Amino acid sequence: GIQVEQSPPDLILQEGANSTLRCNFSDSVNNLQWFHQNPWGQLINLFYIPSGTKQNGRLSATTVATERYSLLYISSSQTTDSGVYFCAVVRDNYGQNFVFGPGTRLSVLP
Amino acid sequence: EAGVTQSPTHLIKTRGQQATLRCSPISGHTSVYWYQQALGLGLQFLLWYDEGEERNRGNFPPRFSGRQFPNYSSELNVNALELEDSALYLCASSSWHGSPLHFGNGTRLTVT
Repeated sequence: GIQVEQSPPDLILQEGANSTLRCNFSDSVNNLQWFHQNPWGQLINLFYIPSGTKQNGRLSATTVATERYSLLYISSSQTTDSGVYFCAVVRDNYGQNFVFGPGTRLSVLP
Repeated sequence: EAGVTQSPTHLIKTRGQQATLRCSPISGHTSVYWYQQALGLGLQFLLWYDEGEERNRGNFPPRFSGRQFPNYSSELNVNALELEDSALYLCASSSWHGSPLHFGNGTRLTVT
């Protein structure tokens, strides 16, 4: 099956710093999403981005499908950005389940 | 629009008992997915239901089962509970397979 890797596994930032999180996947995909899991376990949709670039406030994401990676950019980080960031992919629409990466744990210090 | 709802929020069971977890998808969504997240770990795919049928299941023993009802809500049953079944169980829905996933807040199952 498809493999998903995320880097770095852990990241500690001072409030106000910028960061880039990476997601690599081993095969072509039809769907790629980024999620933020807050300290209470809630998974929040950030981006649905099988290709191209999207921006939402301080967050943006870019997926280069031909090179099988996606990047999540967080600018001017805030303590509320702390948590675990997951990317999830699905290869096709006909029976493959969504596969999640292991996540990047982000801690933003005040 | 109401999001994905899961109940109960917390569930405490003893080893050997059965647990039933429930999920109501977003209105109009027909696909429901179940994931297990053990403490500090990633999400492991359990089951996918669509239009009332089980479409795929992850690498879990048969004592993990479920169903999807005609209104697209879903139930996850875990029989003969073991200590290692303690985890956060997350339900997600999507309007069709491959479209964006939307997660509920999860059920935290503790087996003692």
